[in-house]
Amino acid sequence: QSALTQPRSVSGSPGQSVAISCTGTSSDVGGYNHVTWYQQYPGKAPKLMIYDVNKRPSGAPDRFSGSKSGNTASLTISGLQAEDEADYYCCSYAGSDIYVFGTGTKVTVL
Amino acid sequence: EVELVESGGGLVQSGGSLRLSCAASGITFSSRWMSWARQAPGKGLEWVANIKPDGTETYCVDSVKGRFTISRDNAKNSLYLQMNSLRADDTAVYYCSTATIPAAWNHWGQGTLVTVSS
Repeated sequence: QSALTQPRSVSGSPGQSVAISCTGTSSDVGGYNHVTWYQQYPGKAPKLMIYDVNKRPSGAPDRFSGSKSGNTASLTISGLQAEDEADYYCCSYAGSDIYVFGTGTKVTVL
Repeated sequence: EVELVESGGGLVQSGGSLRLSCAASGITFSSRWMSWARQAPGKGLEWVANIKPDGTETYCVDSVKGRFTISRDNAKNSLYLQMNSLRADDTAVYYCSTATIPAAWNHWGQGTLVTVSS
């Protein structure tokens, strides 16, 4: 049950695209298509932005997209906006009804 | 509208116990998986435990096995986390959440802070 690996921080200017990677193993990210991404502002609860690798729940802007290749999932934010500055966490199902979160990435809008 | 409200957090000494509660509304509680996650100050999220809709099966992270117990009362639309033998590294904001989308925790409470003093 080791945490999934994410870059500590990424940054971009308004309008640019940024991508956040989430690397696990064949026992979690690589083994299941239940990868989710959460956005979290300081002092607030997480908010679901992507589920099942690449699906957006109602309320999530379409500039957020997800993908997966092997043991690595990715979240891409296209057309970066000031309100996208937050922490982002991936999470994967790891079998036997357990889940594992990523280490978290701080997105900075320059 | 789905609402999850945690309570029961506070300051406790190392080795002590605490019981967290989560009151749910706006969902068919008895049909939903429920979970607890936590976030230590300045740190990332950690999944702690979850429980099947009927309460017959529970799962938890290795670091809390034997110390924490997740349970639920479907008649009261409530989720619980009994925490025993608390340690300083259990200090965190504890969130309850539910998945109305399979395997996607899409509703979260505001969290309750647990501080374990050594």
